[in-house]
Amino acid sequence: SQQGEEDPQALSIQEGENATMNCSYKTSINNLQWYRQNSGRGLVHLILIRSNEREKHSGRLRVTLDTSKKSSSLLITASRAADTASYFCATGPNAGGTSYGKLTFGQGTILTVHP
Amino acid sequence: DGGITQSPKYLFRKEGQNVTLSCEQNLNHDAMYWYRQDPGQGLRLIYYSQIVNDFQKGDIAEGYSVSREKKESFPLTVTSAQKNPTAFYLCASGAGKLFFGSGTQLSVL
Repeated sequence: SQQGEEDPQALSIQEGENATMNCSYKTSINNLQWYRQNSGRGLVHLILIRSNEREKHSGRLRVTLDTSKKSSSLLITASRAADTASYFCATGPNAGGTSYGKLTFGQGTILTVHP
Repeated sequence: DGGITQSPKYLFRKEGQNVTLSCEQNLNHDAMYWYRQDPGQGLRLIYYSQIVNDFQKGDIAEGYSVSREKKESFPLTVTSAQKNPTAFYLCASGAGKLFFGSGTQLSVL
């Protein structure tokens, strides 16, 4: 089942602008992660935020998590043409044992950055 | 180089045929996963394995089978029972944070 719902489905911006993508989920989570996928390739892990964290930074990436609203956002600052890709949020279940590492992915946001 | 290798990159299946997708990792991860991705969609979990000789069904296991005889290898067989197999298949490994292969595009002839 698809836990994450991402918004917008597609985003088109100019180089240098900031890009914000949102993700909502339904059930209790242990962590939320963001991944990037270039066309026809595998996914690459970008950042992980745990359920007890509210904000996390990594280079030009800023992720926020609001567990009361069951939502997260990914901000890419000063975007570049090379940032053009699909971005997915994924939630890790709030359960141990055999569920650990079993992620549920959203449908993704397609980001296009124009030079 | 450490990573996950999927092969082949492209695969064609004839009706009634079983095909096997290969996934090998040298990251020393216990857990491995198979996901299916349809155009414009997110990933859906087919099967996962937390340890050698053990695996569990994911959300869409019908028409698929797996084995985990070695820690490094987690092959996926798409059986003839899978009536709509055309998709992009991704293998991953890890615990929490996942590392992905480059995918196999499966099409039906």
